[in-house]
Amino acid sequence: SAVISQKPSRDICQRGTSLTIQCQVDSQVTMMFWYRQQPGQSLTLIATANQGSEATYESGFVIDKFPISRPNLTFSTLTVSNMSPEDSSIYLCSVESEGLSQANYGYTFGSGTRLTVV
Amino acid sequence: QKEVEQNSGPLSVPEGAIASLNCTYSDRGSQSFFWYRQYSGKSPELIMSIYSNGDKEDGRFTAQLNKASQYVSLLIRDSQPSDSATYLCAVNTGGFKTIFGAGTRLFVKA
Repeated sequence: SAVISQKPSRDICQRGTSLTIQCQVDSQVTMMFWYRQQPGQSLTLIATANQGSEATYESGFVIDKFPISRPNLTFSTLTVSNMSPEDSSIYLCSVESEGLSQANYGYTFGSGTRLTVV
Repeated sequence: QKEVEQNSGPLSVPEGAIASLNCTYSDRGSQSFFWYRQYSGKSPELIMSIYSNGDKEDGRFTAQLNKASQYVSLLIRDSQPSDSATYLCAVNTGGFKTIFGAGTRLFVKA
């Protein structure tokens, strides 16, 4: 399955500032996905990033708040802008890939970025 | 609002037993179904994907899908303490839109 390097792994940020999260994949992929997981809750899709075009955002998420770059087929960044304590969450990037065995195909996730806004 | 529902648990089973995890979904047009395992402080890992009604087995894991009842389950045979984790059910409702359940916490007692 694909291997994704995500950084930073965690950060504590002041409100009003911005944080950029990076994901590097070990193979070329068409689509990359950005999710948010708030404590004790399920994953929520923020946006889908396709190389060479603007990202597609889900309801409740806007480009001004979560700008995404996708400069090539192995890399993407998500910026959390003008942060408030409500943005405190785990942010995950993912790609479509095999699972723990080749018999299954779904999402492989990066290791996550745990963001705390104070 | 398309939803995926899971019992939050915790589900506690003794070592060696079969753990049974259940999930229901609201979008009857859903075509792809997934189970992920998430250890505390870690990101989710894909365990099973299933697309057709019936059972799919992979090692100690069996996924069961019943589209008529909008129900998908995961069986873990010979449960081990290392299986203790949160299990997330996920459903693809079309295109790249995948909705995740909140997860069921499983404890396997040694």
